[in-house]
Amino acid sequence: GESVGLHLPTLSVQEGDNSIINCAYSNSASDYFIWYKQESGKGPQFIIDIRSNMDKRQGQRVTVLLNKTVKHLSLQIAATQPGDSAVYFCAENIIQGAQKLVFGQGTRLTINP
Amino acid sequence: NAGVTQTPKFRVLKTGQSMTLLCAQDMNHEYMYWYRQDPGMGLRLIHYSVGEGTTAKGEVPDGYNVSRLKKQNFLLGLESAAPSQTSVYFCASLSPGRNVWGQFFGPGTRLTVL
Repeated sequence: GESVGLHLPTLSVQEGDNSIINCAYSNSASDYFIWYKQESGKGPQFIIDIRSNMDKRQGQRVTVLLNKTVKHLSLQIAATQPGDSAVYFCAENIIQGAQKLVFGQGTRLTINP
Repeated sequence: NAGVTQTPKFRVLKTGQSMTLLCAQDMNHEYMYWYRQDPGMGLRLIHYSVGEGTTAKGEVPDGYNVSRLKKQNFLLGLESAAPSQTSVYFCASLSPGRNVWGQFFGPGTRLTVL
């Protein structure tokens, strides 16, 4: 079926270190993936996206890697800051005439001072 | 430019009561969505709309109805609330065809059904 999952529900890193959040997806037909950040009490916020015809995409301090062979997605955050503390969701976009997202469970990232 | 707004922010209902959640966007987006988020889970799609006057079922539509009479508004209705509908509800919108296909989310409505 259609599902998106995360390997780790929680992740703690030291401020200034790099963090990697992983995600597995199961729908090989999906051609678009998004990472969202959700801070406490707020709605998800778009971070970065990647299409299935790409392996890597970089933004400001963030990089998304896509491995279609093993259906794996990762979000790398460089030089983490306290403001990076949040829950991060990967979402798989199923193209069926509308952008229908399937979300993973989420990973809580905690930045230690 | 307010983006996506949701009304109300909080609500407590008794079992069997009805209510309507309002989502409004001022970005002229064609597509709009309603999700629910339960503890320890990601967002699940309830209903969505690809244009004014059109709606479709998502992953968990039972117990909910929606209407999109105006392009900028998307209403989510609970006709007879149940405790299982206690959740945080998020609305989202996007405009297809642009470079970014990510959905823009509202701040959420926290609903408790007693």
